[in-house]
Amino acid sequence: DSGVTQTPKHLITATGQRVTLRCSPRSGDLSVYWYQQSLDQGLQFLIQYYNGEERAKGNILERFSAQQFPDLHSELNLSSLELGDSALYFCASSVQGAPNYGYTFGSGTRLTVV
Amino acid sequence: GIQVEQSPPDLILQEGANSTLRCNFSDSVNNLQWFHQNPWGQLINLFYIPSGTKQNGRLSATTVATERYSLLYISSSQTTDSGVYFCAVARDSWGKLQFGAGTQVVVTP
Repeated sequence: DSGVTQTPKHLITATGQRVTLRCSPRSGDLSVYWYQQSLDQGLQFLIQYYNGEERAKGNILERFSAQQFPDLHSELNLSSLELGDSALYFCASSVQGAPNYGYTFGSGTRLTVV
Repeated sequence: GIQVEQSPPDLILQEGANSTLRCNFSDSVNNLQWFHQNPWGQLINLFYIPSGTKQNGRLSATTVATERYSLLYISSSQTTDSGVYFCAVARDSWGKLQFGAGTQVVVTP
């Protein structure tokens, strides 16, 4: 167990639907990152939050949104789903200000859009 | 953004062999990490190494920041070392990571 918890582990849904992926960071970590891993695009950065505030945005579609709550857990909302959104979605957390520590990834949510 | 190139793309090793994986990056970074993605998809952080050398058991890594490359050494490989090894970099020490395409390693008995 890495300490970063992602739920659900697997999700199968139909095109056009909306889903919410949840991430609880490792205790004490204030930064949360979301990544998408697909076969053709590799690991792509989506968005970063630090202590509830959005800090950086990557190649995140307008149909996708995220937030970090006061208890530091984060949710990634994916709407109007398309077949191409099928991928493994990872959440990672880190201790900002402690540069000797790497990022800890959760086990991911495997999303299949049918 | 920063370009990250990893080589070789694929590596087949016999158990007990040693190997070197390389990561080249296109700009100065303050954050470089190596990850192992096991066959079950889990991403495990191996090293946080923006510069210098670190060792952890049979694995070691060296980053030469001035020449913009990093090397990951696997010694006495085991079948459990199979998987994909990713190098990832960021300009900030805690910024967004840019991942390379990875090196797929297969260790055969």
